[in-house]
Parts: sequence; C-alpha cells; structure tokens
Amino acid sequence: NAGVTQTPKFRILKIGQSMTLQCTQDMNHNYMYWYRQDPGMGLKLIYYSVGAGITDKGEVPNGYNVSRSTTEDFPLRLELAAPSQTSVYFCASRSSGGYQETQYFGPGTRLLVL
Amino acid sequence: KQEVTQIPAALSVPEGENLVLNCSFTDSAIYNLQWFRQDPGKGLTSLLLIQSSQREQTSGRLNASLDKSSGRSTLYIAASQPGDSATYLCAVPTNFGNEKLTFGTGTRLTIIP
Repeated sequence: NAGVTQTPKFRILKIGQSMTLQCTQDMNHNYMYWYRQDPGMGLKLIYYSVGAGITDKGEVPNGYNVSRSTTEDFPLRLELAAPSQTSVYFCASRSSGGYQETQYFGPGTRLLVL
Repeated sequence: KQEVTQIPAALSVPEGENLVLNCSFTDSAIYNLQWFRQDPGKGLTSLLLIQSSQREQTSGRLNASLDKSSGRSTLYIAASQPGDSATYLCAVPTNFGNEKLTFGTGTRLTIIP
C-alpha cells in the first residue's frame, strides 16, 4: 500500500492564483482530513470528510474548498491565494472504526504564496 | 473548547538518557489520547494511542501514560538515541465523537550524540 499520497510536494503561487492540492489514499478509509501547519502553531483542521459526498468545515476553512467524489480522493482547492495561506498542508485518512483508530498522514505539500 | 499544551517547545538531552515529554489538555472527557512523531519535512506518524480506560501503553522504548482526571499525559523515552530526534505531538479528540483531533504544538526533541 502507498498509504496517503499528496501532490505536489512544493509549489510557489502568486497572490490571486488558484491551485488544487491533491490527496489520495489506498486504504479504503472513509474519513479524510486536510490540515495546515504553520511554524510553532501545531496542526489546524481545514476541512474533513466522513465519506464520499460528505464534507464539513474544520477550524480554519476560509479561503479553501473541498470535494469528495470518491473514497480515495480528497482534493483541496485554493481559489484566490493569499500570503496568509503560506503553510505546509497535510492530508490524512482514518478508518471509520472505533476509538482505537488513528490517522495516517501524507508527506505534506509546502506552499509559498508571494 | 479543547486545548492541548505541550511544554517545553524544545528539549535537548545527551544520548542514552531517559526523558519525559509532557502533554496537558483542558477537557478531560476524552475517549483516547495519541502521540505522534514528525520528522523534519515529513508527515506525522502515530506512535501510541491510549484508550480512556487505560493508564499506560507501551511500544518498545516508548511508554505513554494518561491521567484523565488531571488532564495530563506523558511520553517516556528510555535510553534515548540520536534517531529519536524529531518533533513529538500529542492529540485528543476535539468533540464527543472521534472524527476530529486537536493537536498540541509539539516538543522538538534533539538527542545529542
């Protein structure tokens, strides 16, 4: 299993540009998540999904959009990039089992908005 | 609102020493607590998950304890090695369910050879 994969690894955007961060998992997990990690700030949840066709906002959703058309894929869309969106973005997935289930993380996408 | 704190933010210890990392949380009504490891430039990897009914969980040289009543957890690393150098984050469920996690800001650990 490849686990959770993310593309691209690194991207530079100009202010106002748009892009989609891709996330795919091959573990047949129902739950998927997008986080951003700023230096010294821990992980903040942007959006999450509990299954195909179901998404919900996390703690910091402004400026982002998501869709979940398949179990495997959970892309994150930035419509109008702003310098405040410079961060490292992590995708994660989890089985919908009980309270012993953990999240599995991708390697991250480093985004710089200039 | 659940808040998770990890102090200190950074820690350096000589190789071979035993060490303890701390995690505190404000809402004790949790189902579990997890410890993750993050290497520089990489994603998070789960180390240990302690159920609320457990007091301890062990994996090799790692031992995590949970005291719900005091809102604290510790991660004990025995006989530290340079390969243990990483950032360690703890996380607890954000809400009554287990769908979302609230993370601490982590402790960056450096093991000095």
